[in-house]
Amino acid sequence: QKEVEQDPGPLSVPEGAIVSLNCTYSNSAFQYFMWYRQYSRKGPELLMYTYSSGNKEDGRFTAQVDKSSKYISLFIRDSQPSDSATYLCAMKSNYQLIWGAGTKLIIKP
Amino acid sequence: GAGVSQSPSNKVTEKGKDVELRCDPISGHTALYWYRQSLGQGLEFLIYFQGNSAPDKSGLPSDRFSAERTGGSVSTLTIQRTQQEDSAVYLCASSQNRESIQYFGAGTRLSVL
Repeated sequence: QKEVEQDPGPLSVPEGAIVSLNCTYSNSAFQYFMWYRQYSRKGPELLMYTYSSGNKEDGRFTAQVDKSSKYISLFIRDSQPSDSATYLCAMKSNYQLIWGAGTKLIIKP
Repeated sequence: GAGVSQSPSNKVTEKGKDVELRCDPISGHTALYWYRQSLGQGLEFLIYFQGNSAPDKSGLPSDRFSAERTGGSVSTLTIQRTQQEDSAVYLCASSQNRESIQYFGAGTRLSVL
């Protein structure tokens, strides 16, 4: 079993929909939780960074962490075609990042 | 430059040849990481450099893989006697220190024929 599980998709939704992306993990030592966005042929870029359980909002993006269930989510409101990318969750223990496989998201105009 | 720079962006090589991949981190960043990303997979940690400390090589998949970081700046990842299973995107990231956010380069896409 992988330390971090993420459905690879693809997930296809119409423009304007609310998108929910999720990861589960098994290691309770993970302390920091991140969501990265990766466009085709580009490196990942950090979207959201959270430490504690609860919600963190940044514009159209909301990151949610539930440490008791070992479950994290990223919500995208009013999704745009420019949001089409692969979204990777990553978790940190000490200095190493442990990554999910990434979910490919397609927003249809 | 403002970001992490990697070269070449694409590399096609024949099985058995050696390849060198280069990473130029953000100026002033003391931490540097190499990752491998295979198709449809997450990032696989390879090696981590922090300042002048001994690198963490725990993620290197075999002794054909090695990396160095000269003068605390530019890093080179070397793969000797390449195999087809080495085909992947090799990503480099740097951060101010090991606690800070990692910034990624665009990667080198390696194809071993």
